[in-house]
Amino acid sequence: DAKTTQPPSMDCAEGRAANLPCNHSTISGNEYVYWYRQIHSQGPQYIIHGLKNNETNEMASLIITEDRKSSTLILPHATLRDTAVYYCIVRVAGSGGYQKVTFGTGTKLQVIP
Amino acid sequence: DGGITQSPKYLFRKEGQNVTLSCEQNLNHDAMYWYRQDPGQGLRLIYYSQIVNDFQKGDIAEGYSVSREKKESFPLTVTSAQKNPTAFYLCASSTRLATNEKLFFGSGTQLSVL
Repeated sequence: DAKTTQPPSMDCAEGRAANLPCNHSTISGNEYVYWYRQIHSQGPQYIIHGLKNNETNEMASLIITEDRKSSTLILPHATLRDTAVYYCIVRVAGSGGYQKVTFGTGTKLQVIP
Repeated sequence: DGGITQSPKYLFRKEGQNVTLSCEQNLNHDAMYWYRQDPGQGLRLIYYSQIVNDFQKGDIAEGYSVSREKKESFPLTVTSAQKNPTAFYLCASSTRLATNEKLFFGSGTQLSVL
């Protein structure tokens, strides 16, 4: 099962910042937090990832709390094209020493004109 | 261009029939994954492989089988034992050893039962 908790849905006005929260209270010290998004009927797209420090790229910013138990994905100026399901994931130890990557149900972000 | 190719985009299965979904990647990735997605739901892991000739069951492996004979290919067979196969199937790949690896996804196959 996924080790993350996200709100099922959020709305954001176009042009405003979208702040998507994620709880990962059981995260281990060497586990990264990843964010992906999925536009309807397409494969998920990588957005950003981080370990401890805040990260920023051309798509978004990732803020990770000092205790690493939660994080927030920030889309600084949301557009209608940002309407998608956003997944926050961490890796889960699988059998045989492998790491399996599991997804939860994500947050459906609706950007409103 | 490098990427992951899934085929076909749409597939129909008759009752009692096995069908195979193709997934090919030219990213030189060691790890490959199959996920199932039902309407309005998240992704659930079916099988994953982190090296050729080896693979592990995910959370919902019953009724599915895979093979990994080549690094670039990870086909998924939906067997007749899978009683509710209608879903969107996604294949993904990543480098194996790095803990900060990204997943790259294909565009998916929609499987429906006739």
